[in-house]
Amino acid sequence: TQLLEQSPQFLSIQEGENLTVYCNSSSVFSSLQWYRQEPGEGPVLLVTVVTGGEVKKLKRLTFQFGDARKDSSLHITAAQTGDTGLYLCAGSPLSGAGSYQLTFGKGTKLSVIP
Amino acid sequence: EPEVTQTPSHQVTQMGQEVILRCVPISNHLYFYWYRQILGQKVEFLVSFYNNEISEKSEIFDDQFSVERPDGSNFTLKIRSTKLEDSAMYFCASSPRQPSYNSPLHFGNGTRLTVT
Repeated sequence: TQLLEQSPQFLSIQEGENLTVYCNSSSVFSSLQWYRQEPGEGPVLLVTVVTGGEVKKLKRLTFQFGDARKDSSLHITAAQTGDTGLYLCAGSPLSGAGSYQLTFGKGTKLSVIP
Repeated sequence: EPEVTQTPSHQVTQMGQEVILRCVPISNHLYFYWYRQILGQKVEFLVSFYNNEISEKSEIFDDQFSVERPDGSNFTLKIRSTKLEDSAMYFCASSPRQPSYNSPLHFGNGTRLTVT
């Protein structure tokens, strides 16, 4: 069974601060996806990282995929109150058994205080 | 931008009753999924569906669950005899290719199922 551990579970910061959240596993994934989920809504895709060592930027958000394709990080620069939400990472499996399902972490609940 | 739509947004049912959750996936997507999220817990895979048949299912997806694509647009999840522990948010998702090909999933906003 593939597991994804996200840390921290909860994070509360002041507006303007920087933060990094982590997604770790002992398993190799073909890719990792980051989603953001608002209360009462479904996860919304932010980015997919595919290549080991890959770095992708989405405005103030920087996503990195570990060289071994087992872990990923999300760094937010100068956080804004609109960044508040639940950040989920999800691993796409290698081909074979389980290749139709994503494995989700429990998420990091981010609160940005004005 | 096309989106996955789910109805109803909230369903309350009594234990032992049958419920059908409905989804309209994105029209040119080929792979369809149901996931659930119990309050405070992680999103869990239930089942994937491709080419009019189940391609994969989890241990959660027992004989009480079934899926169907009755026409060219709808994708349904039926729970035959609901239990209290079935209370959760149920998310439908679709993708153009299977996840192992790095194809992201597009999720609906979910149906909150409450079993009393």
